[in-house]
Amino acid sequence: DAGVIQSPRHEVTEMGQEVTLRCKPISGHDYLFWYRQTMMRGLELLIYFNNNVPIDDSGMPEDRFSAKMPNASFSTLKIQPSEPRDSAVYFCASTLDGQPQHFGDGTRLSIL
Amino acid sequence: GESVGLHLPTLSVQEGDNSIINCAYSNSASDYFIWYKQESGKGPQFIIDIRSNMDKRQGQRVTVLLNKTVKHLSLQIAATQPGDSAVYFCAERPGYSSASKIIFGSGTRLSIRP
Repeated sequence: DAGVIQSPRHEVTEMGQEVTLRCKPISGHDYLFWYRQTMMRGLELLIYFNNNVPIDDSGMPEDRFSAKMPNASFSTLKIQPSEPRDSAVYFCASTLDGQPQHFGDGTRLSIL
Repeated sequence: GESVGLHLPTLSVQEGDNSIINCAYSNSASDYFIWYKQESGKGPQFIIDIRSNMDKRQGQRVTVLLNKTVKHLSLQIAATQPGDSAVYFCAERPGYSSASKIIFGSGTRLSIRP
């Protein structure tokens, strides 16, 4: 079991640039979650999908954030344009209904 | 609003001793509780969970206790080892289905003294 795979592990870019974070969930899982973790706000749910369909995006901070899940094995979280306050660690997690969520090791994003 | 919180932000324990990490929750409708461990540079890792119809559940070296009367959750780690050093998060979910959002607490850092 390869676990949830996220890429890149680290991203440093200048404000205004587009950032794309990628996630490959565990095969067979039907839920996928995107979280953001900061020292100030802890772990926040941004959006989650069930069977590739976005169910709840109420945690997405602004229209600059968007997420897609074109198929069961891939999801992206995009920020355009990026701002320094978007700097955080972004986690992807996946699960089967009723089971605990399995997290990837995150993407550490720094916006200069 | 509803929240999950931790009594102790940091905990220092002698290697070999037992550790107890506490958590208070405020949503009486929560039905499912989870403990996660997060090591530096990694994502949260599932440790153990418990449903509201139970008051105790044991795993390997870990035990979770749930007191619904006072809305309190605790994680006990037996014979604490250096590898147990991490931040521990409690989390609650108002329902067993994954469609219910998990609310994470702020975390407790556990450090092990040699």
